[in-house]
Amino acid sequence: IAGITQAPTSQILAAGRRMTLRCTQDMRHNAMYWYRQDLGLGLRLIHYSNTAGTTGKGEVPDGYSVSRANTDDFPLTLASAVPSQTSVYFCASRPGQGARELFFGEGSRLTVL
Amino acid sequence: AQKITQTQPGMFVQEKEAVTLDCTYDTSDPSYGLFWYKQPSSGEMIFLIYQGSYDQQNATEGRYSLNFQKARKSANLVISASQLGDSAMYFCAMREGIQGAQKLVFGQGTRLTINP
Repeated sequence: IAGITQAPTSQILAAGRRMTLRCTQDMRHNAMYWYRQDLGLGLRLIHYSNTAGTTGKGEVPDGYSVSRANTDDFPLTLASAVPSQTSVYFCASRPGQGARELFFGEGSRLTVL
Repeated sequence: AQKITQTQPGMFVQEKEAVTLDCTYDTSDPSYGLFWYKQPSSGEMIFLIYQGSYDQQNATEGRYSLNFQKARKSANLVISASQLGDSAMYFCAMREGIQGAQKLVFGQGTRLTINP
């Protein structure tokens, strides 16, 4: 079934470690997004990419980096994880200009100790 | 500044009643889109409805309708004849712009509980 795949589903990580959350979509969507979801704060945009080769900062980019080498993949990297990065991370994609719906992955639950 | 504001952290509604979830937004871009998503306890995000800033009529999708008041910058979600399965978190979101960088930001969410 076509869609967005996130990995890992869940991870416990020691503070200071490097971590990459993977996101792959097979719908050939141009735009991709990373959000974190925290209780009471809703979904906050971390980074986004409108097309392959371009990325932009969202509302809470500090401590995170992304790359968009091709259309399908949009990995999110925590260079040195901190406990405040404990969250549920959602990857999403959208076909492009004027598209209505945003397609979400299942989420990755990350705990930083 | 908060782009999307949902002022109701939680709402309790009796089954079969209609419910309105509030959403206000802030943008200076004349072209934007407004979305509503549902997140049940299982965690997945479910698209409900979309309203474009240039759409002349309010969007409707089955029991969902969007009360779009452009001058007031509000985009409230109306659920008619609520059901127990409507209990979930609901998020309002906004996409700004057509060309160039297009961010899509969400509000804090409203937890809706439908009582039998």
